[in-house]
Amino acid sequence: GESVGLHLPTLSVQEGDNSIINCAYSNSASDYFIWYKQESGKGPQFIIDIRSNMDKRQGQRVTVLLNKTVKHLSLQIAATQPGDSAVYFCAERSPSNSGYALNFGKGTSLLVTP
Amino acid sequence: GAGVSQSPRYKVAKRGQDVALRCDPISGHVSLFWYQQALGQGPEFLTYFQNEAQLDKSGLPSDRFFAERPEGSVSTLKIQRTQQEDSAVYLCASSLPGATGELFFGEGSRLTVL
Repeated sequence: GESVGLHLPTLSVQEGDNSIINCAYSNSASDYFIWYKQESGKGPQFIIDIRSNMDKRQGQRVTVLLNKTVKHLSLQIAATQPGDSAVYFCAERSPSNSGYALNFGKGTSLLVTP
Repeated sequence: GAGVSQSPRYKVAKRGQDVALRCDPISGHVSLFWYQQALGQGPEFLTYFQNEAQLDKSGLPSDRFFAERPEGSVSTLKIQRTQQEDSAVYLCASSLPGATGELFFGEGSRLTVL
């Protein structure tokens, strides 16, 4: 039967295509944002981060865009590969967070098909 | 070690039993966090330590949850009288002090309460 809590947004892309995963946040005081990748049975793994004084940051095959006006964050993955299949979480931090703890979104499942 | 180490990786408990989950952070990381991740959800903050001091425990869901880090290194999350709703993956993360950003996560301890 169907289980509560398994309704992750899912993005399905073909190998070689570009992927865009979106995230909305609510706290206008957030000053740091980070994307994590989580494979089944593993802990979250850092992908890329961005501070609020920037609107774009690029890494290897990944780009993060930050639009503070509409409180929106996106992760772009170029030339998506089967190994990119995972759940992707955006996380944000505000200066008031204890110890600079991160607040996580609900995640998006990326499925890359050959 | 090179990364955050958690044990046990899997734990099955009967309802009402007590469990203890261990986290060994990255050497030199003074900040340590515990998160709870329910199936299909993002990690939820439980508690934060700076060295041996527990500075925030606002995320602990009930007084059955207790965490300690007596020597400022290894931490233990204890759950007393486990309930089915405690079933989740418990993630430990550590970071360098200050607003340096990334949290480094362990692989998690998956707790199943029958």
